[in-house]
Amino acid sequence: GIQVEQSPPDLILQEGANSTLRCNFSDSVNNLQWFHQNPWGQLINLFYIPSGTKQNGRLSATTVATERYSLLYISSSQTTDSGVYFCAVVPGNKLTFGGGTRVLVKP
Amino acid sequence: DSGVTQTPKHLITATGQRVTLRCSPRSGDLSVYWYQQSLDQGLQFLIQYYNGEERAKGNILERFSAQQFPDLHSELNLSSLELGDSALYFCASSVGGPGKEGYTFGSGTRLTVV
Repeated sequence: GIQVEQSPPDLILQEGANSTLRCNFSDSVNNLQWFHQNPWGQLINLFYIPSGTKQNGRLSATTVATERYSLLYISSSQTTDSGVYFCAVVPGNKLTFGGGTRVLVKP
Repeated sequence: DSGVTQTPKHLITATGQRVTLRCSPRSGDLSVYWYQQSLDQGLQFLIQYYNGEERAKGNILERFSAQQFPDLHSELNLSSLELGDSALYFCASSVGGPGKEGYTFGSGTRLTVV
């Protein structure tokens, strides 16, 4: 099956810093989503981004489908950005998740 | 509120018991997906239903079963529970396939088997 790899696995940021999270996938996909799992366990849908670039406040994402990767940018990080960020892809009809990037933003 | 409702939020039960987790999809969504998130396995796809019919199966144990009812809500039944079944169980819904918005997840049911 498709492989989804996220890097880095862990990230510690000082509040106000910027960061880039990467997602590589091994095959063509129909869909790509970024999720944030907060410390309470909730999975929040950040972006549906099979290709191109999208922005939502301090977050933005870019997917280059032809090169099989996606990037999630966090600017001016806040403590509420802490949690695990997952990339998930759909090669057929179901989401396959990467291992996640655990982000800790320190005040 | 994502529009996907899962109940209960928390469940504590003993080994060998049986539990039922419930999911109501977003209005208009026909597909329901179940995922299991355990500490050592990450987020694993269990099963998908579309408009009442099973569409895809993932790493679902034989002790687990699911169904989707005519009103489109879904139930995941877990039986002969073991300690290793302790996990966060998520339900997600979509219009059909990926749709224009992708998949939307509920807030999960945290199952603890003691």
